[in-house]
Amino acid sequence: DAKTTQPNSMESNEEEPVHLPCNHSTISGTDYIHWYRQLPSQGPEYVIHGLTSNVNNRMASLAIAEDRKSSTLILHRATLRDAAVYYCTPSGGADGLTFGKGTHLIIQP
Amino acid sequence: GAGVSQSPRYKVAKRGQDVALRCDPISGHVSLFWYQQALGQGPEFLTYFQNEAQLDKSGLPSDRFFAERPEGSVSTLKIQRTQQEDSAVYLCASSLVGSSGYFGPGTRLLVL
Repeated sequence: DAKTTQPNSMESNEEEPVHLPCNHSTISGTDYIHWYRQLPSQGPEYVIHGLTSNVNNRMASLAIAEDRKSSTLILHRATLRDAAVYYCTPSGGADGLTFGKGTHLIIQP
Repeated sequence: GAGVSQSPRYKVAKRGQDVALRCDPISGHVSLFWYQQALGQGPEFLTYFQNEAQLDKSGLPSDRFFAERPEGSVSTLKIQRTQQEDSAVYLCASSLVGSSGYFGPGTRLLVL
């Protein structure tokens, strides 16, 4: 499984953009990059995923480096409800997701 | 619509007791996963089902852990002779196909 490196925590102000980085230098060529977030006392929630091209959805954007060894999750306007632990997890398919410790995102009002 | 549900939400067991944790996946989802999440850590993969077939159980920490999904829908994770180190949140996830899917709220197990 590809190993990931994420900052332990990040802090941002409400209504400002947030860029959450992830290094996954051992990712294989067929692994998708998934991002999940987990609010306290809840299960992880799917945010976005991509393979090579940058991806956008209603929750966030995902920027994937050309060499695929890193990616950045972008929250365009953070709200207090975005405070959570964010995980990036490369996955090749039906073999389960491998989570690290994630990034604890703190949003200041 | 209904998401993944898990029961019980909380379980306190005495060391040595057997416990059974239930997962109701989203209807029609073929893939079902169990994860274990220790305090302050990310979820760790335990086992994977495709319909009723258990295709991967490499993450089960010991032979005290057993999972089944006999009819390809509801799944049960059973832990025999619980130990204190089994205390964790047990998460279930389901998907139509592949590993990216929907998680339930988890069952928080405390072994005293």
